[in-house]
Amino acid sequence: GQNIDQPTEMTATEGAIVQINCTYQTSGFNGLFWYQQHAGEAPTFLSYNVLDGLEEKGRFSSFLSRSKGYSYLPLKELQMKDSASYLCAVLDSNYQLIWGAGTKLIIKP
Amino acid sequence: IAGITQAPTSQILAAGRRMTLRCTQDMRHNAMYWYRQDLGLGLRLIHYSNTAGTTGKGEVPDGYSVSRANTDDFPLTLASAVPSQTSVYFCASSDSTSGAQGQFFGPGTRLTVL
Repeated sequence: GQNIDQPTEMTATEGAIVQINCTYQTSGFNGLFWYQQHAGEAPTFLSYNVLDGLEEKGRFSSFLSRSKGYSYLPLKELQMKDSASYLCAVLDSNYQLIWGAGTKLIIKP
Repeated sequence: IAGITQAPTSQILAAGRRMTLRCTQDMRHNAMYWYRQDLGLGLRLIHYSNTAGTTGKGEVPDGYSVSRANTDDFPLTLASAVPSQTSVYFCASSDSTSGAQGQFFGPGTRLTVL
């Protein structure tokens, strides 16, 4: 079966750095996405990785290791507005997105 | 219209009633999707359409139907609603099925079936 695992919840302090992990087992791989979703709102696109390595994009970079079935989202200089859920999704061999349940990130002052 | 709109924003529905959730995009995206989002679960694909005139079944299609008469509109119909269909429904679109640009989501419809 297809499976994407993320921690359910994480807590961090404003100004700090946090890393949200995602491991996946899917039928085929055509890229991995990270989305941000604030409570009561729609998911919004953050990043896309299809090759191994770090894609740097300001405060929201993303890392991928295809051989390990692993990605992480390092969030730097955390702000209160970063309190949200972070969703990991993999594009499988049928070009369908398979979604993780999301990681709820709580930022404390 | 800017992006994707969904209607209604929320709805309370009696079990057994028929309901159509509307979705319209103005980005001329070829592909469109319907997801449901339930607490503790990831987004689950209900139906999708890669291009106008074609539709396909996702992970959880039972009890739902869709049509794609044109590029812009992708309505989702619940023929006879049941309480297990209580959820938040998101419509999404993408420029291509290869998905490198990501999917763009509408604001969602919160549906409660009693």
